[in-house]
Amino acid sequence: QQQVKQSPQSLIVQKGGISIINCAYENTAFDYFPWYQQFPGKGPALLIAIRPDVSEKKEGRFTISFNKSAKQFSLHIMDSQPGDSATYFCAASISTSNYQLIWGAGTKLIIKP
Amino acid sequence: NAGVMQNPRHLVRRRGQEARLRCSPMKGHSHVYWYRQLPEEGLKFMVYLQKENIIDESGMPKERFSAEFPKEGPSILRIQQVVRGDSAAYFCASSLRGSRDYEQYFGPGTRLTVT
Repeated sequence: QQQVKQSPQSLIVQKGGISIINCAYENTAFDYFPWYQQFPGKGPALLIAIRPDVSEKKEGRFTISFNKSAKQFSLHIMDSQPGDSATYFCAASISTSNYQLIWGAGTKLIIKP
Repeated sequence: NAGVMQNPRHLVRRRGQEARLRCSPMKGHSHVYWYRQLPEEGLKFMVYLQKENIIDESGMPKERFSAEFPKEGPSILRIQQVVRGDSAAYFCASSLRGSRDYEQYFGPGTRLTVT
């Protein structure tokens, strides 16, 4: 019940296309859902995060869509660029242990020029 | 403005040896977290420390692993008598406060290989 399931494991998108990465969870106590971006040889960096009181959050070309009833959330990257090529992780946390993140397994995204 | 520093970046140990991983948090941060990442997996929380205190070590294996964050100096993750299964990337993160309202900034990680 503590798991966050992420798909796909890897994704290839043409430059200018839309990249979509999905995550699903079981624990309804999760109330914070961040996405992290990790480049090779670097640590993860916070990209964007959402709380369940909203269904969508947009920051530039990055959008989180959240479906509370389906217990799913997704990351959309619009106009994908080669510089977006990285591994993306979704995560979730509970307010009672709010520093402890439960991570998805990651999606390796490759944007083809 | 230096970020989170970790050293060494790569560490090779033979089975049975000790591994010491160091983490210097961002300037002004007194909250440190250690995570382990196995190949093809997400990060797994290990331990959360403040200066001189272990706040939550619920993710730490009960044996061979220990962590400290002394008043002076970096945080240390220590693995005694390493085994092949300890091979992983170990990431340290720091934050200004111990709440998710304060972003955790990650270091570049230490890749531990046990031969």
